[in-house]
Amino acid sequence: GAVVSQHPSWVICKSGTSVKIECRSLDFQATTMFWYRQFPKQSLMLMATSNEGSKATYEQGVEKDKFLINHASLTLSTLTVTSAHPEDSSFYICSARGTGGRDEQFFGPGTRLTVL
Amino acid sequence: QKEVEQDPGPLSVPEGAIVSLNCTYSNSAFQYFMWYRQYSRKGPELLMYTYSSGNKEDGRFTAQVDKSSKYISLFIRDSQPSDSATYLCAMNQGGGNKLTFGTGTQLKVEL
Repeated sequence: GAVVSQHPSWVICKSGTSVKIECRSLDFQATTMFWYRQFPKQSLMLMATSNEGSKATYEQGVEKDKFLINHASLTLSTLTVTSAHPEDSSFYICSARGTGGRDEQFFGPGTRLTVL
Repeated sequence: QKEVEQDPGPLSVPEGAIVSLNCTYSNSAFQYFMWYRQYSRKGPELLMYTYSSGNKEDGRFTAQVDKSSKYISLFIRDSQPSDSATYLCAMNQGGGNKLTFGTGTQLKVEL
């Protein structure tokens, strides 16, 4: 149980284009999902917290107009990187909070974004 | 000072060794503690989830929490080459609050 998927697993795009990454909880409902960014050999950096049916809460320094997050259902959250630039190249990982009052997060496999 | 401190390693041990991974934290409000394993280019995988002080065992893994010292540990018995990965500690105050991660310890188990 507690499986989270991400799609795509990797994507290469040209500078200026937008890229959408999907995060799905496959076998449980997730009212809260989280989006992280990870650079090589570094820990995870929380970008935003996404609650189903409401606006995402962004961490300080994260541009909400650049990283659009939508959590339209209890099993799906999306991150759209708008007008991507090479400095946006990174490993993006989502997680979903467990249910039943527990606080652990279950992570997706990640999406590697390369912007040329 | 970071809220959570974790030695980044790398830590190299022979196969079969007992591995000890540790984190210290400064925020006494942290109540929930987790250990994740992350292989290269993959998402973190939850290994252990604990709430109170004390020990929790799951197979070859034992998580230990000492709230009075603000110190948590993960022990791996009979380590295997497949345990080679980065281990991240994480914690929060509960209530669905965001996790605070350590920097991760890179572990290599050699044959």
